[in-house]
Amino acid sequence: NAGVMQNPRHLVRRRGQEARLRCSPMKGHSHVYWYRQLPEEGLKFMVYLQKENIIDESGMPKERFSAEFPKEGPSILRIQQVVRGDSAAYFCASSRDNSNQPQHFGDGTRLSIL
Amino acid sequence: DAKTTQPPSMDCAEGRAANLPCNHSTISGNEYVYWYRQIHSQGPQYIIHGLKNNETNEMASLIITEDRKSSTLILPHATLRDTAVYYCIVRSTGANSKLTFGKGITLSVRP
Repeated sequence: NAGVMQNPRHLVRRRGQEARLRCSPMKGHSHVYWYRQLPEEGLKFMVYLQKENIIDESGMPKERFSAEFPKEGPSILRIQQVVRGDSAAYFCASSRDNSNQPQHFGDGTRLSIL
Repeated sequence: DAKTTQPPSMDCAEGRAANLPCNHSTISGNEYVYWYRQIHSQGPQYIIHGLKNNETNEMASLIITEDRKSSTLILPHATLRDTAVYYCIVRSTGANSKLTFGKGITLSVRP
């Protein structure tokens, strides 16, 4: 049973470009969470989605960041007009539901902004 | 903000038990205690979770005090590969089911 798959593993963008990070949850999981880990800092929650719905976006920056989890296909975290400060590791986690079932994490996407 | 406090670091000898403490004195009745670990910069790995009863799985044991204000993660026979940052997290369910990570405790297993 495949785990949470994130791609790409590494992404390099120049300032002003767009970054698209993809996350395919574990089989049978319909809840997706995105977290960000800035260099030398802890993991911070960004957004929680269930199929086609954003449940909690309290950790998302107000501008340039968006997330979706369509009915078909992976969840996408989109960063427009990237800046140097967006350089970080972005982790996706999935769970079967939002009861006490644990979230399982992917290996992350390392985003580097030139 | 994280609702847990952990010592910043500890070490133990390979083959010995590692007991990692965590305080969560403001935990609510419907909140669970979860433990994750992060090795280098890999994705966090789920270890174990519990509500009020002690729990055990193939990786570890979780001991929760009767008043639920603290807990201990026990790795029964630590190996070098257990060197990691361990996070104790208090988490609710439903729409507020996000994980709030603190700084964790860095466990160093020495040969």
